[in-house]
This record gives sequence, C-alpha cells and structure tokens, in this order.
Amino acid sequence: AQKITQTQPGMFVQEKEAVTLDCTYDTSDQSYGLFWYKQPSSGEMIFLIYQGSYDEQNATEGRYSLNFQKARKSANLVISASQLGDSAMYFCAMREGYAKTSYDKVIFGPGTSLSVIP
Amino acid sequence: ETGVTQSPTHLIKTRGQQVTLRCSSQSGHNTVSWYQQALGQGPQFIFQYYREEENGRGNFPPRFSGLQFPNYSSELNVNALELDDSALYLCASSLAQGYSPLHFGNGTRLTVT
Repeated sequence: AQKITQTQPGMFVQEKEAVTLDCTYDTSDQSYGLFWYKQPSSGEMIFLIYQGSYDEQNATEGRYSLNFQKARKSANLVISASQLGDSAMYFCAMREGYAKTSYDKVIFGPGTSLSVIP
Repeated sequence: ETGVTQSPTHLIKTRGQQVTLRCSSQSGHNTVSWYQQALGQGPQFIFQYYREEENGRGNFPPRFSGLQFPNYSSELNVNALELDDSALYLCASSLAQGYSPLHFGNGTRLTVT
C-alpha cells in the first residue's frame, strides 16, 4: 500500500506568489520524520525541510514552511514568494520510527512537478 | 564539507551485462543508501549500508548487491541487467542518528539496451 500520497502531479504558480504542495502519509508509528526534497531537471535530490512527529511547531526554512497536521496525517509544503529557480519536482518523504525498522529507510511519494511562470 | 559524489554520470549497458556504480559519502556520514528512480516516479529504496554491512533492503532481487568500504564510500552492483533496470540510481549518505536527512549525489543515469 502506498504510504505517501501526493495528489497533484503538476502545479503552476505565478512568480512571487505562494504555493502549497500537498502530501498525506500513512503510518501506525507514533514517532516518525517527514521530509521534503526538491529535484531539478539535473537530477540531484536537494533536502529542503524536516518535521518530526513530536515537533509542536511547524518547521520553517527560509521561504519553505511545512504545514503539519498530525491528526489528518498531512504535511504540506508551502513555498512563499516563488522564484523561477523553484521550478522542479518536489517529493514528500517519510522515515518511520526505529521501532518498525532498524535501518534508515526513507519512503518517497510520487512527486509534484512545479512550474513557476514569469 | 565535501558532498556526495557519484560516478559515472551516465552509462549505457546491454541486457545481461553487469554494472558497478560508485558513491563517495559526504564527509562525516557513516550510512549509505541506494535508491532507484524510474522515469516519472519517486525514488525506490534498494538497500542501506552501515559499518560495511547491509542493514536494510527494499524489494529488489539478489542480483542487486553492494559494498561499503572503511572510508564509507560504497558500490552498487547489478548483475544480469534487464531493460527495466534503466533508471537514475541515487546514492545518499546520512548520519545513523535520529531522523538525520539523506544527502544525495547527482545520480548515475543507467540505460540498458
């Protein structure tokens, strides 16, 4: 069963506007970590932001923020003031707790393609 | 701080051949994971190495194997290549503590003909 769902295959946003990329996840663990990665056309996966399941505040990193709603099992990425260089694939990912796996397996969603329009 | 580096960048092989992909971890990282990313999909976990031993594996057959060396660099070997093995292979290093994020290399694009 798919554990990470990203329902938006493609998104468009006007330059300087904010955009929200959706992510829902499925886990029975109480302890887990959520990540967002950016993948430009060059192929490299770039780590953007992390949210721990026990973190009470939403994570922020510069123009990136994570809208974490634990009860709804959602971890949406918000990009403020979009720039042309933000055009890329964005992947939501989850690392389940050590109780389930003794190793650092990270599961990725199918991704959302973001295009920033000048 | 040196990032994750992978070689080669691109590779073309024939069905049935064997291939070795290489990865140097980010300095200070002791864990290496390998992922396969087919076109238009998210990365799929192949396996992870920690202290030179495989300590976790995804749903990949035994013809996918690997090594981790004392300097934490790693190799991914694929035997008896199949057309479906064509993909971007990503190496990621991390610290074996908490929810340390994965740091990826640029990947190796493998094409099997």
